[in-house]
Amino acid sequence: SSELTQDPAVSVALGQTVRITCQGDSLRSYYASWYQQKPGQAPVLVIYGKNNRPSGIPDRFSGSSSGNTASLTITGAQAEDEADYYCNSRDSSGNPVFGGGTKLTVL
Amino acid sequence: QITLKESGPTLVKPTQTLTLTCTFSGFSLSTSGVGVGWIRQPPGKALEWLALIYWNDDKRYSPSLKSRLTITKDTSKNQVVLTMTNMDPVDTATYYCAHRRGAARSDWFDPWGQGTLVTVSS
Repeated sequence: SSELTQDPAVSVALGQTVRITCQGDSLRSYYASWYQQKPGQAPVLVIYGKNNRPSGIPDRFSGSSSGNTASLTITGAQAEDEADYYCNSRDSSGNPVFGGGTKLTVL
Repeated sequence: QITLKESGPTLVKPTQTLTLTCTFSGFSLSTSGVGVGWIRQPPGKALEWLALIYWNDDKRYSPSLKSRLTITKDTSKNQVVLTMTNMDPVDTATYYCAHRRGAARSDWFDPWGQGTLVTVSS
């Protein structure tokens, strides 16, 4: 079982704001990184560190953290944002661990 | 530009050993702070971290698979090799390698290889 917990599915109306959350004790000490995965494609990093976006990631993607919960927020969701989203951090031994993933549907 | 590509068999039989190679460019595994990780994804399921090797040859393994995994690096060839013993049909998955970086209180995988689908079947 994953030490990072995500809601299995979330939906958002086109152009609205959606928050995808990730819970785990390690998030009190480490920031999460977030990955977007579209069908048949490899995951792509969208947020890392406190709130950093790799080059090419739209600024509608942002990250935040509070206590044991990390959040990925998409402000003004677009149809192309429909994908699976995974958080990643460390487990209690300091090893990488992924959340179970959240399927985002843009209505 | 950093790129990674996985290679290896697409089909293995149960009980066999799987050997996957990650060939990369755009960075050196002798640079401080750099690592390469392996992650897999069974069809329709979530990502699962398998193993990680750092520039200083520090190696980390998923506790649930540690007894079956070995990760090595060949810095001169820009390759990282993962072996997994005693393959089972439940190990059928797409296997990815990814570049690992970190900073204070943060690590991340970026970029990822395209992945290679490995099917375990007799």
